[in-house]
Amino acid sequence: KQEVTQIPAALSVPEGENLVLNCSFTDSAIYNLQWFRQDPGKGLTSLLLIQSSQREQTSGRLNASLDKSSGRSTLYIAASQPGDSATYLCAVTNTGFQKLVFGTGTRLLVSP
Amino acid sequence: GAGVSQSPSNKVTEKGKDVELRCDPISGHTALYWYRQSLGQGLEFLIYFQGNSAPDKSGLPSDRFSAERTGGSVSTLTIQRTQQEDSAVYLCASSPAQETQYFGPGTRLLVL
Repeated sequence: KQEVTQIPAALSVPEGENLVLNCSFTDSAIYNLQWFRQDPGKGLTSLLLIQSSQREQTSGRLNASLDKSSGRSTLYIAASQPGDSATYLCAVTNTGFQKLVFGTGTRLLVSP
Repeated sequence: GAGVSQSPSNKVTEKGKDVELRCDPISGHTALYWYRQSLGQGLEFLIYFQGNSAPDKSGLPSDRFSAERTGGSVSTLTIQRTQQEDSAVYLCASSPAQETQYFGPGTRLLVL
């Protein structure tokens, strides 16, 4: 059974810092991995999707990497801003399945 | 274009009543998913539709839960004889294939 873990559970940083969020998964037979953000009381917004054959994806200040063999992904946020404050979730799709298996989330607070 | 929409946005019901939650996916998306987000369990998969068929119902927690999709579009999640532990945010997502899943804002269900 696929299990996804995110570390840290919560993170508080001052504005302008670069930061890294970690995601690990137990079953390396994944099809893709997706990073989401969730604002309080809202749904999920997709940030980046990495196919299992890819090593990284970039969008603006965000960079996500994937090491499938070690079961790890990182989300790098450059020059953090207060508007980045949210909960960040990673989720994987296993090969042969369609559903997303979600991690436990990292709650990020960026202070002005 | 329009995103995934869900209704109602909030629902308060009494224990033992039936509830219906609706999801309107993005036009043209063949895949539709239901997830549940509760405080104790995080984000959990419930059911996946491809067109009008549901090849994966493995996440439905009990036979009180059912879902259908008609015309390859709108889906309804029905919970019969609601219990307090059914209180959660029910999220719907759609995707064109096994790609990025786009989420709706969710329905917040409170069972008194």
